[in-house]
Amino acid sequence: AQSVTQPDARVTVSEGASLQLRCKYSYFGTPYLFWYVQYPRQGLQLLLKYYPGDPVVQGVNGFEAEFSKSNSSFHLRKASVHWSDWAVYFCAVPNMGYKLTFGTGTSLLVDP
Amino acid sequence: GGIITQTPKFLIGQEGQKLTLKCQQNFNHDTMYWYRQDSGKGLRLIYYSITENDLQKGDLSEGYDASREKKSSFSLTVTSAQKNEMAVFLCASSYRGNNQAPLFGEGTRLSVL
Repeated sequence: AQSVTQPDARVTVSEGASLQLRCKYSYFGTPYLFWYVQYPRQGLQLLLKYYPGDPVVQGVNGFEAEFSKSNSSFHLRKASVHWSDWAVYFCAVPNMGYKLTFGTGTSLLVDP
Repeated sequence: GGIITQTPKFLIGQEGQKLTLKCQQNFNHDTMYWYRQDSGKGLRLIYYSITENDLQKGDLSEGYDASREKKSSFSLTVTSAQKNEMAVFLCASSYRGNNQAPLFGEGTRLSVL
């Protein structure tokens, strides 16, 4: 079955520093992939989505992600982190059409 | 823009109680979902409904019932709440079709005494 793995349960970065959150996928063929963000006590918000094509995808709030077939990865990046980015980030892949399989999430902590 | 509204936001139940969670969306989406989120884990799909009058089991359907009353609403029932259960239930909706990225509501937080 299709799956995604987020190897880092927690990442800490200083405000203003760059960020990369890792996502590895297991998929037969070329997947669609999504990144969501969950702020404290809120639901999930869609950050960006990858549909097969251009490997670099731009999202909201300065986030982008790069798809790599050779590395089976879809890492999320941001050039300069803001304190308001403190949240949990989830990578997800559609699995058998309508089902969405999520990673376990990466908690991002921002040092002031 | 649209919104997905989940009620109630907080739900406290007793062991063995039947509990119902409601979800409304005004995106005019065809497909609706219920996910369960436990602390430290990802989201797991309980039920989904591709169109009005459709109902599909997800990976975690045992112990739950669901009902798609109309295109805009989707309810989830916990048939018998488990003691000390704590979880967040998230409703989502999307356009019909494979590989859609659903949009989520704010969640219902369940605690069982």
